[in-house]
Amino acid sequence: ETGVTQSPTHLIKTRGQQVTLRCSSQSGHNTVSWYQQALGQGPQFIFQYYREEENGRGNFPPRFSGLQFPNYSSELNVNALELDDSALYLCASSVGLADGDEQFFGPGTRLTVL
Amino acid sequence: RKEVEQDPGPFNVPEGATVAFNCTYSNSASQSFFWYRQDCRKEPKLLMSVYSSGNEDGRFTAQLNRASQYISLLIRDSKLSDSATYLCVVNPGFKTIFGAGTRLFVKA
Repeated sequence: ETGVTQSPTHLIKTRGQQVTLRCSSQSGHNTVSWYQQALGQGPQFIFQYYREEENGRGNFPPRFSGLQFPNYSSELNVNALELDDSALYLCASSVGLADGDEQFFGPGTRLTVL
Repeated sequence: RKEVEQDPGPFNVPEGATVAFNCTYSNSASQSFFWYRQDCRKEPKLLMSVYSSGNEDGRFTAQLNRASQYISLLIRDSKLSDSATYLCVVNPGFKTIFGAGTRLFVKA
């Protein structure tokens, strides 16, 4: 296993609600990235955090926000949920910021928005 | 145009076959390239990095053509356990871009 954990495993919410997803990175990994994977698609980059600061962001609206904590844990927050937010949310940790660093993925949180 | 495009698949091949996956990317500034494997309802896992000189790992060979912005993955002597989705990944800096993936089914 990768040593990256995510919680919860599954989650059901309704439109307009807010959700917080959690990730625990490998010890010593300073970078965490979050991805959204819709059914039949590849993971889409949401944003990346390095040492508790946002380091890059994909084409996602501001209602997607995140936090990274000194203890290698992180959160993805989504406000005003929409039906299209239903997807698998993956976090991935890596040692640093080098483009070639391997990313280790967690098992994901499957979010369903009704 | 998508930033990373892959063969749509699925590929259905018998055991022992050789199969090749193709991928193109649009950002010429991209510096790092990878192939990831994703099993059904599981997380992606790194299969191999891709270097300009080409690299091989057992039955798997990856190649990069920067001039054509093209990446390939060749699997020789396919095994049943190779059945998975193969994701082409490009990193142009500060973000990682995944292709949609190509599904491979290896049959006995």
